[in-house]
Amino acid sequence: EAGVAQSPRYKIIEKRQSVAFWCNPISGHATLYWYQQILGQGPKLLIQFQNNGVVDDSQLPKDRFSAERLKGVDSTLKIQPAKLEDSAVYLCASSLYPDRSNGEQFFGPGTRLTVL
Amino acid sequence: GESVGLHLPTLSVQEGDNSIINCAYSNSASDYFIWYKQESGKGPQFIIDIRSNMDKRQGQRVTVLLNKTVKHLSLQIAATQPGDSAVYFCAENRGSGYSTLTFGKGTMLLVSP
Repeated sequence: EAGVAQSPRYKIIEKRQSVAFWCNPISGHATLYWYQQILGQGPKLLIQFQNNGVVDDSQLPKDRFSAERLKGVDSTLKIQPAKLEDSAVYLCASSLYPDRSNGEQFFGPGTRLTVL
Repeated sequence: GESVGLHLPTLSVQEGDNSIINCAYSNSASDYFIWYKQESGKGPQFIIDIRSNMDKRQGQRVTVLLNKTVKHLSLQIAATQPGDSAVYFCAENRGSGYSTLTFGKGTMLLVSP
């Protein structure tokens, strides 16, 4: 089965510019996650969708980050305007089951963002 | 605040040795733990999980041990191979009804031929 797809793989922007990342989860996976992984650290959850609804965005910096999953399949994550500290790898993951009893998540390769 | 963390940032072993990667967690309410492997340029890949009603779980060449008394988790890799070189994360599953993972900082495993 095809894995989680993300694009672009790399992006370099100037601070204060805008950027958007795209994610296509594994077919049939209702739950989709966006994580931020700063170099040398573990991934940090930004937002979790169940179908097209948000179930957890408590760690999303809402003044500059936004995400949507309008049709419950693909998702986009946007940063506007970007700051230097946003430089990180942005990982998308999906899972078949939303509940804690079967939590395996499948990750995409990530988008490496560099903000200059 | 409560967090999941690792004792050793880098572990270097020889091919064929057994490797042990450790992880401490602080949330005593956590009841589900996962180990992920992340190779350079790739997303994390699920290795093995364990629930808090178990002390040990074995997979292919990997074993996870859970000590709830001291809130400690370990990943044992038998007969370590160069392909095992990667960063390993333990993750704690928390959240009310949804699979929200909190990751530790990771341990880099370097396997020499």
